[in-house]
Amino acid sequence: GEDVEQSLFLSVREGDSSVINCTYTDSSSTYLYWYKQEPGAGLQLLTYIFSNMDMKQDQRLTVLLNKKDKHLSLRIADTQTGDSAIYFCAEDSGAGSYQLTFGKGTKLSVIP
Amino acid sequence: NAGVTQTPKFQVLKTGQSMTLQCAQDMNHEYMSWYRQDPGMGLRLIHYSVGAGITDQGEVPNGYNVSRSTTEDFPLRLLSAAPSQTSVYFCASSYSRPNAFEAFFGQGTRLTVV
Repeated sequence: GEDVEQSLFLSVREGDSSVINCTYTDSSSTYLYWYKQEPGAGLQLLTYIFSNMDMKQDQRLTVLLNKKDKHLSLRIADTQTGDSAIYFCAEDSGAGSYQLTFGKGTKLSVIP
Repeated sequence: NAGVTQTPKFQVLKTGQSMTLQCAQDMNHEYMSWYRQDPGMGLRLIHYSVGAGITDQGEVPNGYNVSRSTTEDFPLRLLSAAPSQTSVYFCASSYSRPNAFEAFFGQGTRLTVV
């Protein structure tokens, strides 16, 4: 079955880069996603990448995808205290699917 | 636009009680879903709907019922609450594919079953 794995915690200093890693198992995924959850709130889509791409950049965010190894990463440049949140990696189940499988989430703590 | 609205935000139930968690969206999205979030477990899909009158089970459907009589509303019913259903419940909606879709989440309902 589908499975998405992430490390649970990451701590970085303000101004440094953060890298959150994720591995997934479903090779039929068409898109992979990163969602952000701030305390007491729902999830919000940060960015996504098509499964045939290997990189996507969006301002301070860089997504790298290694399809061969089924490895996805999210890099946040110049991390700020406002980036402190839980970050979820998610994959869909292929073209035409509406279902997302989420990882357990990585809690990013930014030290001032 | 209000987006996805969930009510109530907090609820305490006694074991065996039933209740309905409400979810409404005003974005005319076809697809709606319910997730539960437990510590260390991430989000798990309970039920989903691809349009009015169409629902299907997700990963953890036992103990929950859903219906979709309108595009806007997707209530989740707990038939007989159990302590194992203590969780934070999120409703999400999205427009139909074929490309990458953005799931819009509500603020969540924190449910405690005692």
